[in-house]
Amino acid sequence: GQQVMQIPQYQHVQEGEDFTTYCNSSTTLSNIQWYKQRPGGHPVFLIQLVKSGEVKKQKRLTFQFGEAKKNSSLHITATQTTDVGTYFCAVHAGNNRKLIWGLGTSLAVNP
Amino acid sequence: DGGITQSPKYLFRKEGQNVTLSCEQNLNHDAMYWYRQDPGQGLRLIYYSQIVNDFQKGDIAEGYSVSREKKESFPLTVTSAQKNPTAFYLCASRRGETQYFGPGTRLLVL
Repeated sequence: GQQVMQIPQYQHVQEGEDFTTYCNSSTTLSNIQWYKQRPGGHPVFLIQLVKSGEVKKQKRLTFQFGEAKKNSSLHITATQTTDVGTYFCAVHAGNNRKLIWGLGTSLAVNP
Repeated sequence: DGGITQSPKYLFRKEGQNVTLSCEQNLNHDAMYWYRQDPGQGLRLIYYSQIVNDFQKGDIAEGYSVSREKKESFPLTVTSAQKNPTAFYLCASRRGETQYFGPGTRLLVL
């Protein structure tokens, strides 16, 4: 079945450093979503990318969808302790009714 | 105040016991989902329902059962057939292509 690979699994940074997580698929994606889960919390929707080469920004977060629509990245500029959590990418299965989730990247930020 | 509620927050199960996790939403969403989350394994789909009185198995349905008698409610029963039930269980509903999650229930086996 369709899978999405997410790397790295863990990332530990100093506050103020940048952070990037990547999602890769062997098949062309119709769209990709990103969610954030704080420690002890539940996933919260961040954004959906649909167009080839699309770039969207939310304050210090930059989301990018690859030209071939097979990969995506989430980049955080100048991390803060509030960025701590696990970031998941998720893609729709063929019938658009289910999401296939990456394993997530857990971000730890040293103050 | 609209949202998704799950109860209880923590649940303890004895060997051989069935337990039911509650999920209620007042968002008027048709589709609802149950996921299981284990450390390092992301979210795995247990069951989902697109409409009242209809539901489908997800990737790890064995040992679980659901019902969808009301639009607002999608309870999950963890049966004694589920041999490794200790996990964080998340319920979600969908509007458009976005899923909205409840706070989750942590199930522990005594």
